[in-house]
Amino acid sequence: DTEVTQTPKHLVMGMTNKKSLKCEQHMGHRAMYWYKQKAKKPPELMFVYSYEKLSINESVPSRFSPECPNSSLLNLHLHALQPEDSALYLCASSQDRDRTGYTFGSGTRLTVV
Amino acid sequence: AQKITQTQPGMFVQEKEAVTLDCTYDTSDPSYGLFWYKQPSSGEMIFLIYQGSYDQQNATEGRYSLNFQKARKSANLVISASQLGDSAMYFCAMREGPFAQAGTALIFGKGTTLSVSS
Repeated sequence: DTEVTQTPKHLVMGMTNKKSLKCEQHMGHRAMYWYKQKAKKPPELMFVYSYEKLSINESVPSRFSPECPNSSLLNLHLHALQPEDSALYLCASSQDRDRTGYTFGSGTRLTVV
Repeated sequence: AQKITQTQPGMFVQEKEAVTLDCTYDTSDPSYGLFWYKQPSSGEMIFLIYQGSYDQQNATEGRYSLNFQKARKSANLVISASQLGDSAMYFCAMREGPFAQAGTALIFGKGTTLSVSS
């Protein structure tokens, strides 16, 4: 299995809702990443998990809460989002000692109404 | 300061022509990796080609080649014989350090939109 699977592919949520994005990989990668991407802009790094520990939080608002329950799974819990949080959320994983080993999921398109 | 600079917001090319997408980078780490990704409107990030800072030869992958000029800190992507399906956003990205170790994130440039016409 050489994929990163993200669910759901599309999500529409109200500003008072609580929802979660899920990212799963079974490649044995020990680092996982969340990126946020607005239309026609580059991906912006949000969080990095390394060996299931949060290693980087790029000053992301607390309404985004990451979780890494195990080495294969990464969640992004969403609460009280704003319309400007509407974006494509990309998950990626990478392997230590692998020069090129970044694998991206196909993303979740989030719309906050 | 930007670490990855892509100065061409949009490029237009006809089918079967070659096109060069520019990328310059800035790092003080002697060991780094440079990546090019293609992102169609569907959103998936498709890996195209990789160049390591110590690689002796320029990388090639099918119709894609990377013109790596280390002293100039540039890593331009060359697409030969463009196809309609090449129309997409292209991102140059960098990893600082020799490996994707302990969660070394990729840093992306702003991207170039390539439009291929018949």
